[in-house]
Amino acid sequence: QKEVEQNSGPLSVPEGAIASLNCTYSDRVSQSFFWYRQYSGKSPELIMSIYSNGDKEDGRFTAQLNKASQYVSLLIRDSQPSDSATYLCAVGDSWGKFQFGAGTQVVVTP
Amino acid sequence: DGGITQSPKYLFRKEGQNVTLSCEQNLNHDAMYWYRQDPGQGLRLIYYSQIVNDFQKGDIAEGYSVSREKKESFPLTVTSAQKNPTAFYLCASSIFSSGSNSNQPQHFGDGTRLSIL
Repeated sequence: QKEVEQNSGPLSVPEGAIASLNCTYSDRVSQSFFWYRQYSGKSPELIMSIYSNGDKEDGRFTAQLNKASQYVSLLIRDSQPSDSATYLCAVGDSWGKFQFGAGTQVVVTP
Repeated sequence: DGGITQSPKYLFRKEGQNVTLSCEQNLNHDAMYWYRQDPGQGLRLIYYSQIVNDFQKGDIAEGYSVSREKKESFPLTVTSAQKNPTAFYLCASSIFSSGSNSNQPQHFGDGTRLSIL
């Protein structure tokens, strides 16, 4: 059974600080990794895709991938109250299917 | 605007009734997916389709059925065999490249909330 694990949180982050979210996965042959943000009662929206080891930056978001350790992370710099949401990690297999983690709830406090 | 449209937004099912959730996309995506989300949990794959007239079971297909007669449409039927249908149902689509090891991102509709009367 392929698994994607995330800390459920809540992760409380002061406004302006860095939020660090972690995700581990069990399927060694996974090639595609995604972070989605989901506001309460809404559908997930894509934040980042990452396919290669290393860092990928997009605005205030940085995704980090380490395939040897089967670990992918998301950093949110200068956290804002609008960043308060649940962040879902998704891992894609070679058949086009995704496995989603249960999500980490982030709460940005003023 | 291109996007994924799910309807209805809210749906109530009576005992023994089948209900159908609609999903339409105008993104010209080949692949479409149905997920179920329960409170505090991640998304679980019900069915997916990578080409018209073909679809595969996901992790929790029992009690559900789908069809893919058109590229744009992937309706999900929740049958009376699904004894615990109350959940948030999400439809997604993506570009699909056969033979590629790298998946394209999935994009989601706004979801349908299904409850039992």
